[in-house]
Amino acid sequence: SQQGEEDPQALSIQEGENATMNCSYKTSINNLQWYRQNSGRGLVHLILIRSNEREKHSGRLRVTLDTSKKSSSLLITASRAADTASYFCATAPTGNQFYFGTGTSLTVIP
Amino acid sequence: EAGVAQSPRYKIIEKRQSVAFWCNPISGHATLYWYQQILGQGPKLLIQFQNNGVVDDSQLPKDRFSAERLKGVDSTLKIQPAKLEDSAVYLCASSSPQGISYNSPLHFGNGTRLTVT
Repeated sequence: SQQGEEDPQALSIQEGENATMNCSYKTSINNLQWYRQNSGRGLVHLILIRSNEREKHSGRLRVTLDTSKKSSSLLITASRAADTASYFCATAPTGNQFYFGTGTSLTVIP
Repeated sequence: EAGVAQSPRYKIIEKRQSVAFWCNPISGHATLYWYQQILGQGPKLLIQFQNNGVVDDSQLPKDRFSAERLKGVDSTLKIQPAKLEDSAVYLCASSSPQGISYNSPLHFGNGTRLTVT
């Protein structure tokens, strides 16, 4: 399988704390993207990091990429209850074909 | 900008019956994807279209699943006959407003939840 693996599978934190989730993948990539999925909804794109980038920020999100270790991390700072969702990484080994990981279920407790 | 439209939202069928899902991508998006998401798992790519041509259908169970994208716009995914293990959410996504792009995000519809009994 070309899918990535997110770690941890589930994460529960208090509102205001930071949340970190990790993604490992198997093949070389053009880019890696992170998506959020609220219960019963489709996935929403959060951030894209290219293979030649090491770190990227967007609002309260920080993504890092280590292509030598084939891994990425997503940090959500100052979490809010509205951040409760599942988070997936998606890799594009070739062209624009995207393969998703298994997801991290984040619960932010008010 | 209107999002990706999918219908129906829910579908319940008995095994061995047939079912069809419809997707209308964002206007101008050249690439259309169908994903299968089983409860508790990540989306699995079933088929990818570029305009009205198939780019990748390597994970599509072709003995029972078929998909088409007429005129390079909307698309239909069909299952015939359905099995219990086909119970899942079927997600449609589109991307690439300028054609093939390595760095275009995917825009997803809200999916069709299929239950096979």
